[in-house]
Amino acid sequence: AQKVTQAQTEISVVEKEDVTLDCVYETRDTTYYLFWYKQPPSGELVFLIRRNSFDEQNEISGRYSWNFQKSTSSFNFTITASQVVDSAVYFCALSSNFGNEKLTFGTGTRLTIIP
Amino acid sequence: DAGVIQSPRHEVTEMGQEVTLRCKPISGHNSLFWYRQTMMRGLELLIYFNNNVPIDDSGMPEDRFSAKMPNASFSTLKIQPSEPRDSAVYFCASSRGWGGGPYTGELFFGEGSRLTVL
Repeated sequence: AQKVTQAQTEISVVEKEDVTLDCVYETRDTTYYLFWYKQPPSGELVFLIRRNSFDEQNEISGRYSWNFQKSTSSFNFTITASQVVDSAVYFCALSSNFGNEKLTFGTGTRLTIIP
Repeated sequence: DAGVIQSPRHEVTEMGQEVTLRCKPISGHNSLFWYRQTMMRGLELLIYFNNNVPIDDSGMPEDRFSAKMPNASFSTLKIQPSEPRDSAVYFCASSRGWGGGPYTGELFFGEGSRLTVL
């Protein structure tokens, strides 16, 4: 069985602060993929990043960075110098079983950036 | 390119009525997904199709729900009869799928259909 846990239900930070969103996953598969999606107030989900289980390199994209650690089954997401536009619900998701595209989503973390 | 298009955006209906939600995936995408989002249960996969064939329908709650994909550019999710507990936002998403080039896993979501059953 697959499971994604986002223990932080809501986070509020003041603009320009850094913030880290936690994600812990469970799977018995040796090959799997991890994702982060953003759901802004408008409602649609937007893909941010994908990581496969063989690539533990951390990734940075502008103000966003991701820390993947297989040893702790975690895939954390950090926003540096947060901005009001970062306010959204962020979902971590897991996909495994080669050939099955089913994504298991966490419950999401609602991030509010206070101006 | 146009994104995933869902209709209607909002639907209010009374218990017992039939509801049909529609989705047009991104042209060229091989996989289509129906997700449901509620406060209590979060995002749940209801069903997904690859090349118009249902691959995983384990999330379809019960016989009142049915989904079809008659061709590569259209899918429907039907609820008959509807119940108040079906109130949710229903998302359709599409992806290139395993047969559509290098696997990225990226799903492209529509804006959702917000269903309220009174």
